[in-house]
Amino acid sequence: AQTVTQSQPEMSVQEAETVTLSCTYDTSESNYYLFWYKQPPSRQMILVIRQEAYKQQNATENRFSVNFQKAAKSFSLKISDSQLGDTAMYFCAFMNFGNEKLTFGTGTRLTIIP
Amino acid sequence: EPEVTQTPSHQVTQMGQEVILRCVPISNHLYFYWYRQILGQKVEFLVSFYNNEISEKSEIFDDQFSVERPDGSNFTLKIRSTKLEDSAMYFCASRAGRAGQPQHFGDGTRLSIL
Repeated sequence: AQTVTQSQPEMSVQEAETVTLSCTYDTSESNYYLFWYKQPPSRQMILVIRQEAYKQQNATENRFSVNFQKAAKSFSLKISDSQLGDTAMYFCAFMNFGNEKLTFGTGTRLTIIP
Repeated sequence: EPEVTQTPSHQVTQMGQEVILRCVPISNHLYFYWYRQILGQKVEFLVSFYNNEISEKSEIFDDQFSVERPDGSNFTLKIRSTKLEDSAMYFCASRAGRAGQPQHFGDGTRLSIL
């Protein structure tokens, strides 16, 4: 069974700074997908970024980028120029190719300080 | 942008009663999911649904749970005889047909069992 570990329950950073959230996972599969979801206080889970394991290039979406290290089974999220609206719970999630379910980590609560 | 919508936002039910949680997935999506999040814990997969049948379910999804897509637009989760431990946030998600596409989540229904 796959597991996803987020070792930072809470983080805080000053507005405009850069922050990195860590995520590690365990799997014996070689083809899979990784995601970061954001859950603001409004509750809805919003997709932040997606990475396909067979792609070596790290995914980027504007201020959000990942550092995907397949051999180390690590998938960290970097938020550059952090904004107050980035305050949320961030979940790392794993999905096997051909399997339906997302396996989530326990989340990191990120607070951006004005 | 199309969204997954869930109703009600909060449901309070007496233990032992039946409850139905409703979801309207994004209209051209083909795969549907239910997840739950007990307060303070990680998001857990319950069930996936495709082509009018369950494609995968977790150990949590026992005989007390059922899902249905009654009319081609709604996707429901029924808990037949609720228990105190069913209290949680329940999220519906849907995704398009291509493998690896991200799941899009609704706002969730907070279920409180008294």
